[in-house]
Amino acid sequence: DIVMTQSPISLPVSPGEPASISCRSSQSLLHGNGYNYLDWYLQKPGQSPQLLIYLGSNRASGVPDRFSGSGSGTDFTLKISRVEAEDVGVYYCMQALHTPPFTFGPGTKVDIK
Amino acid sequence: EVQLVESGGGLVQPGRSLRLSCTGSGFTFGDFGEYGISWFRQAPGKGLEWLGFIRSKANGGTTENAASVKDRFTISRDDSKSIAYVQMNSLKIEDTAIYYCTRVQVLKFGVPHWDYYYMDVWGKGTTVTVSS
Repeated sequence: DIVMTQSPISLPVSPGEPASISCRSSQSLLHGNGYNYLDWYLQKPGQSPQLLIYLGSNRASGVPDRFSGSGSGTDFTLKISRVEAEDVGVYYCMQALHTPPFTFGPGTKVDIK
Repeated sequence: EVQLVESGGGLVQPGRSLRLSCTGSGFTFGDFGEYGISWFRQAPGKGLEWLGFIRSKANGGTTENAASVKDRFTISRDDSKSIAYVQMNSLKIEDTAIYYCTRVQVLKFGVPHWDYYYMDVWGKGTTVTVSS
């Protein structure tokens, strides 16, 4: 199975400041069609996860443009340009290429300083 | 608004069975039967684990399962009722978790093995506690 890692595990951020989360996969997620089969999900406190980014860099419907996904192959980044209080929670990356199974990173907890 | 609601969770003894349901509503564009449904779980204080999914009938209605639960968990669907199920047998203490169902979106690139699946709608989850 593909192993996903994330860093940092915990990320305290001041409101209005940028934030960056790294995700790495044990094998390339770049498909022969040129797309990266990687999603980002956010699980806010007490809630179920929600889709933020699919295909590595495409924002899901309703996701603010302060969120962006980038990267290719085995290295990916989720960036929040200016963190807001509502962005706190645990962020997970998930690979969707070498399936089954779909596998997640361990999560990065973002909270406000 | 598209919603998925899980139900059927509860307290169950080790070795017993439980069937969870995932009921869909508000599918404005297309109906429940046109989408795949996936199941995930989250053990207390832990991360997310994919359990399996069932494709839409149009995409074969086939299932994929995680090896960790393949012999014990079975996913099915009844599109006439807009419900998907996961039948869980021989439950273990380590199956204690919140169970989520999701709608699966499929992006097709013209070749079956190129299909891209992502989970765009999640239910709120139902809690399963396996304990004697």
